[in-house]
Amino acid sequence: AQTVTQSQPEMSVQEAETVTLSCTYDTSESNYYLFWYKQPPSRQMILVIRQEAYKQQNATENRFSVNFQKAAKSFSLKISDSQLGDTAMYFCAFRVYQGAQKLVFGQGTRLTINP
Amino acid sequence: EAQVTQNPRYLITVTGKKLTVTCSQNMNHEYMSWYRQDPGLGLRQIYYSMNVEVTDKGDVPEGYKVSRKEKRNFPLILESPSPNQTSLYFCASSTRQAANTGELFFGEGSRLTVL
Repeated sequence: AQTVTQSQPEMSVQEAETVTLSCTYDTSESNYYLFWYKQPPSRQMILVIRQEAYKQQNATENRFSVNFQKAAKSFSLKISDSQLGDTAMYFCAFRVYQGAQKLVFGQGTRLTINP
Repeated sequence: EAQVTQNPRYLITVTGKKLTVTCSQNMNHEYMSWYRQDPGLGLRQIYYSMNVEVTDKGDVPEGYKVSRKEKRNFPLILESPSPNQTSLYFCASSTRQAANTGELFFGEGSRLTVL
């Protein structure tokens, strides 16, 4: 069974700083997808970034980028120039390439951006 | 506007009183799914559906039922709610292709409290 672990329950940084959220996962599969979802206080789940395991290049979306280390089964999210609107719960998630039609989520990291 | 709509958004009920949480999407998506979110556990899949009249269990289906009689609707039924079903519930939908890559559209969540 696949598991996803986020070891940082809460983080807090000042506006404009860079912050990195950690995520590790466990799987025996070789093909899979990894995601970071954002859940602001409105509770809406929003896809931030996606990484396909067969791609060596790390995904980037504007101020958001990932550090994907396949051998170490690590998938961290870096937020550059953090903004107040980045305050949210962040979930790391995993999906096998073929098979069960579900996302496996980590426990979440509550990120607070302070003015 | 493309959206996944859940109702009710908030509900307090008592043990044993049957309830239904509705979910409707206006994007003609084949795939729909229910997750529950609990502190420290992230989101866990309850049931999913790949198309009309096709449903399957997720990781935590006990105590829940679903149906998919129409493509746009995927209600979650709690026949005899218990306090351990107190949780935040999310409905999600996607095209079949996007479901394979894990990119889901989420509803705004339904906060359920069972006394």
